[in-house]
Amino acid sequence: AQKVTQAQTEISVVEKEDVTLDCVYETRDTTYYLFWYKQPPSGELVFLIRRNSFDEQNEISGRYSWNFQKSTSSFNFTITASQVVDSAVYFCALSEGAGNQFYFGTGTSLTVIP
Amino acid sequence: ETGVTQTPRHLVMGMTNKKSLKCEQHLGHNAMYWYKQSAKKPLELMFVYSLEERVENNSVPSRFSPECPNSSHLFLHLHTLQPEDSALYLCASSQAADYSYEQYFGPGTRLTVT
Repeated sequence: AQKVTQAQTEISVVEKEDVTLDCVYETRDTTYYLFWYKQPPSGELVFLIRRNSFDEQNEISGRYSWNFQKSTSSFNFTITASQVVDSAVYFCALSEGAGNQFYFGTGTSLTVIP
Repeated sequence: ETGVTQTPRHLVMGMTNKKSLKCEQHLGHNAMYWYKQSAKKPLELMFVYSLEERVENNSVPSRFSPECPNSSHLFLHLHTLQPEDSALYLCASSQAADYSYEQYFGPGTRLTVT
């Protein structure tokens, strides 16, 4: 079974629309970390955010916001007023405190149409 | 200098060739990683090095041979590869090989095995 599921393979939105990227994770650990990365066409993954399992506070950074809900094992990412530069593949990832692994989802390809 | 650099950016090699991928990080980190990224699949963690010592080897075939001469440099030596090894190979680094730390990625080497 996949540890991190990003059910949305591809999303297209028109510029200035809001978009939410879903991430569902699976773990039995009580200590774990969740991450989001952005991979633009240039290839390198860019770190966006890290969350530990004890901090369920939502976070906002500019046009980006993250909604962490342990009850549903979800860590969703919302981009408000999307821009063309937001076009990229976005990856959600999980690391477990007891393990020694990083688990990535398959990514969501976001296209923002001008 | 950008945080993590990789060379070459593109590589085409035959199945009988021997080549090496190079990664260098300028962030003062103590841990480095090799990942394989294939289309429609999650990133696969291949190797983890902490202070030049290999701490993780995720059942990677022996035709991939990593080398970490110091904490700033990481190599992946390739020999007798198969066409299914064609992928984007990403190098990353983090402050320590503790999975609470976010990783910083290079732009990757696009490898094609003919």
